[in-house]
Amino acid sequence: GIQVEQSPPDLILQEGANSTLRCNFSDSVNNLQWFHQNPWGQLINLFYIPSGTKQNGRLSATTVATERYSLLYISSSQTTDSGVYFCAACSNDYKLSFGAGTTVTVRA
Amino acid sequence: GAGVSQTPSNKVTEKGKYVELRCDPISGHTALYWYRQSLGQGPEFLIYFQGTGAADDSGLPNDRFFAVRPEGSVSTLKIQRTERGDSAVYLCASSSSGGGDYEQYFGPGTRLTVT
Repeated sequence: GIQVEQSPPDLILQEGANSTLRCNFSDSVNNLQWFHQNPWGQLINLFYIPSGTKQNGRLSATTVATERYSLLYISSSQTTDSGVYFCAACSNDYKLSFGAGTTVTVRA
Repeated sequence: GAGVSQTPSNKVTEKGKYVELRCDPISGHTALYWYRQSLGQGPEFLIYFQGTGAADDSGLPNDRFFAVRPEGSVSTLKIQRTERGDSAVYLCASSSSGGGDYEQYFGPGTRLTVT
């Protein structure tokens, strides 16, 4: 199946800082999603973005499918942005393969 | 609108017992998925339903695990003769259709602890 790698594994930010999370995948994708897992374990959908660029408030994402990577941008980070961010992808099927996640800690 | 719901939120059971985990998908979603998340890892695929039938159960770890979706809505994941290694968070997801081109939405999970 498709391999998904995320970097960095951990990120510590000062409140107000900007950051970029990266997701590399090993094959063509028909589905790519970014999630935020909150401290209670709920996976919150951030973006469905198999290609192109999307923005939602302080968050934006870009997927360059031909080069097999996706980026998640967090601007003006807040303490509530803390948690684990997962990238997940499907390649010609329906099974989401998840990366290991990036743990983000935003300090006040 | 209501999201994916799962019950119970927590389940503690003794080794060797039988457990059932329930998932209510988003209304109208025909595709339903089960994943399992171990501590410190990303979720891993278990089984996929399109309608009432299990279209792909290749992720189930062994024959102690079984899942049903008899009316094409609610699904139950069943684990027989539980082992300590089954301890994990079991996540359910649904999408408006199958085939992988549709956004999957996850429930809050059931945290299973086998003692």
